[in-house]
Amino acid sequence: AQKVTQAQTEISVVEKEDVTLDCVYETRDTTYYLFWYKQPPSGELVFLIRRNSFDEQNEISGRYSWNFQKSTSSFNFTITASQVVDSAVYFCALREMDSSYKLIFGSGTRLLVRP
Amino acid sequence: DTGVSQDPRHKITKRGQNVTFRCDPISEHNRLYWYRQTLGQGPEFLTYFQNEAQLEKSRLLSDRFSAERPKGSFSTLEIQRTEQGDSAMYLCASSSRHPDEQYFGPGTRLTVT
Repeated sequence: AQKVTQAQTEISVVEKEDVTLDCVYETRDTTYYLFWYKQPPSGELVFLIRRNSFDEQNEISGRYSWNFQKSTSSFNFTITASQVVDSAVYFCALREMDSSYKLIFGSGTRLLVRP
Repeated sequence: DTGVSQDPRHKITKRGQNVTFRCDPISEHNRLYWYRQTLGQGPEFLTYFQNEAQLEKSRLLSDRFSAERPKGSFSTLEIQRTEQGDSAMYLCASSSRHPDEQYFGPGTRLTVT
């Protein structure tokens, strides 16, 4: 069965701290995509990154970085030097390429960055 | 460059009434998706269209729910005989074939009283 687990319900940090959001997934497919989305207080989901199962290279984009490890079925997201504008709910999602076009989302991690 | 738009943004209805939501995808996107999100949860997939064909439906989509995309452009989601459990945010997303990242609209928040 396919499943995405975000065990951290809520994280609170002080501005400029680094923070890592955890994501663990379950799938039987050998080919899949993993995603991160941001949902700010306005409510609209914003696409951040897509990773396919064949590419385990870590990725960095500005203050954001992602660590994909197939051995532990994890796709963690780190924000370096967090800012107040990073406050949002972050969702990890899975798409199994062999069977469906749907995204399977985790329950999200609410990040609060305090000034 | 306009994103995905949804209308209305908010809808309050009484139990038993029918409601219809509209989604306009990004113009060059041929794929369209509907999701439902309840408070404190991640979005849950409802249905998927490729052009005008509805190719996938979730078991969440009961008989009271119907979605259409008649000309492969905008889509409508109708809920008949609404129940309080239908209260949620209804999200629409669209994507092209390649790359196929899904881009989401602002959602329609439904409250059933």
